[in-house]
Amino acid sequence: GAGVSQSPRYKVAKRGQDVALRCDPISGHVSLFWYQQALGQGPEFLTYFQNEAQLDKSGLPSDRFFAERPEGSVSTLKIQRTQQEDSAVYLCASSSDRVTEAFFGQGTRLTVV
Amino acid sequence: TQLLEQSPQFLSIQEGENLTVYCNSSSVFSSLQWYRQEPGEGPVLLVTVVTGGEVKKLKRLTFQFGDARKDSSLHITAAQPGDTGLYLCAGESYNTDKLIFGTGTRLQVFP
Repeated sequence: GAGVSQSPRYKVAKRGQDVALRCDPISGHVSLFWYQQALGQGPEFLTYFQNEAQLDKSGLPSDRFFAERPEGSVSTLKIQRTQQEDSAVYLCASSSDRVTEAFFGQGTRLTVV
Repeated sequence: TQLLEQSPQFLSIQEGENLTVYCNSSSVFSSLQWYRQEPGEGPVLLVTVVTGGEVKKLKRLTFQFGDARKDSSLHITAAQPGDTGLYLCAGESYNTDKLIFGTGTRLQVFP
């Protein structure tokens, strides 16, 4: 597709359940970012990939959060043993090599009950 | 931790009014971007400013990057209901490629 695609759009998980969120970046985009956005707030940085290399994971809130991009294209954000405080919109963005202007997907709204 | 503070946090105005949103930081950025986000959607890039003191105009929107590259402003002239949304500034640090987003300004323009 022409834009960044995220799936699922909505996810309801029971507390303690593991979830996996998928991001398909714009074809050819080298950089991929994951952000977490609480209601009415600005996105908070989680992690960043350049191709398959995870260059920065300083924003991951705990070791329950794990992200991968094994072939330098599609990325998955995994959250283990979900907690209520994990409820948020998870945004994925991609950008080309030399331009850091990011293009965002529509996000995945995660609700932990 | 948000390094970029936006003000005001909320703004409700009538159609036709002018407004300014501010984005301030103690950090220096190599570039600064402004996004608009509508409910249920991801942020959409409006503009990127890269030079200290730079001013960019996009129809009724005027963006300015501070001389010291620590702050920025967005001015909207004659606001319209279609301008309603969450406005976000985002800074790119010199030593990383990640974008740091501001706290956001929620704008509501009433007809």
